[in-house]
Amino acid sequence: QQQVKQSPQSLIVQKGGIPIINCAYENTAFDYFPWYQQFPGKGPALLIAIRPDVSEKKEGRFTISFNKSAKQFSLHIMDSQPGDSATYFCAASTNDYKLSFGAGTTVTVRA
Amino acid sequence: DTGVSQDPRHKITKRGQNVTFRCDPISEHNRLYWYRQTLGQGPEFLTYFQNEAQLEKSRLLSDRFSAERPKGSFSTLEIQRTEQGDSAMYLCASIPSGGPLSNEQFFGPGTRLTVL
Repeated sequence: QQQVKQSPQSLIVQKGGIPIINCAYENTAFDYFPWYQQFPGKGPALLIAIRPDVSEKKEGRFTISFNKSAKQFSLHIMDSQPGDSATYFCAASTNDYKLSFGAGTTVTVRA
Repeated sequence: DTGVSQDPRHKITKRGQNVTFRCDPISEHNRLYWYRQTLGQGPEFLTYFQNEAQLEKSRLLSDRFSAERPKGSFSTLEIQRTEQGDSAMYLCASIPSGGPLSNEQFFGPGTRLTVL
């Protein structure tokens, strides 16, 4: 039973475009929502994370939007570059830090 | 390189054989997590340790799986009598204790297991 639902499964954008990935959760005990980037053959790497008391967080070209009432959060990649082509995972955890991951979104940025 | 290392990086084995993987977390991190990732899916939690104590095991961790962290440093994950369904990437992650960044999990590169 997947606790975090992620969409779309894949998306393609042109360089400079803004890929948007959406996630939804049910467990209201979740209090930490990270996004991970994974390249083929590598482990996931933390991109950015947010807690439910904040509605938006920006780090560089990555922005998380968080809607606590809707139990949804999303990742925006501003000014996307071909080097951003990777699989992105949303995740959530409670204070045990045990992560529940979404199924992933493969992003392709075309030059 | 996150500072979390895993060995081996790749393992090919025949069905029925036993395999053991090792994870070396970042030295001051006292929590260590194991996840399994199958192709096209997100990682799934298997088990985690606080120092040497194993605090939780997922129902995904059948009796054929055992994990240890004997001195609160490195950890091993053993799979006995491997099955083809065990083929996956096994990921290890560690986090520091306390502080505002204590949720940030640092993942190793993973061990890719192929069971023939």
